[in-house]
Amino acid sequence: GQQLNQSPQSMFIQEGEDVSMNCTSSSIFNTWLWYKQDPGEGPVLLIALYKAGELTSNGRLTAQFGITRKDSFLNISASIPSDVGIYFCAGQEGGSNYKLTFGKGTLLTVNP
Amino acid sequence: DAGVTQSPTHLIKTRGQQVTLRCSPISGHKSVSWYQQVLGQGPQFIFQYYEKEERGRGNFPDRFSARQFPNYSSELNVNALLLGDSALYLCASRQSGRALYWEQYFGPGTRLTVT
Repeated sequence: GQQLNQSPQSMFIQEGEDVSMNCTSSSIFNTWLWYKQDPGEGPVLLIALYKAGELTSNGRLTAQFGITRKDSFLNISASIPSDVGIYFCAGQEGGSNYKLTFGKGTLLTVNP
Repeated sequence: DAGVTQSPTHLIKTRGQQVTLRCSPISGHKSVSWYQQVLGQGPQFIFQYYEKEERGRGNFPDRFSARQFPNYSSELNVNALLLGDSALYLCASRQSGRALYWEQYFGPGTRLTVT
């Protein structure tokens, strides 16, 4: 089935630095979502994107829906220690009205 | 408002046994989906139910089944457990089945270990 390519797989940064991660697919997606998952917990929704070119912010987080509808990126500005976790992109593929397809995740470590 | 709740939180089963996992969606949400997350991977879609009907099924064997009740809660059943079924099972609820409302909210998951 469809796979989402998420990169980088992991990042180790210093507190205060900005972070960028992205997700690409081989087919068109109608919706992109970004989640954060802490160990032993379920994913928490950060941002939802519905239109190509859409740029949406949630505090220090900014995400964009790519113009081609085959990619999305997430930026985190001025990182803090509580940003540590695994970030997942997820998408709803055109023609599939019932499931989300997830990337493999980006593990973010923030050094205080 | 309470979020998505799942029970039990942890479960240990033996190969060949059967297991039932339970999920209560956010109040007002009519759609429930189930995902399997193995260590180091993103969640994989198993089922979606909306208004008590199965609306989609992922690439999982028939040993996996689910249902949704009139109060929109849901159960996931797995028969003839295999070692490979060990995973975190996530339930997600969504306000409706309409395409425009794709925000899915996840519960904390049930950690299933098969020995």
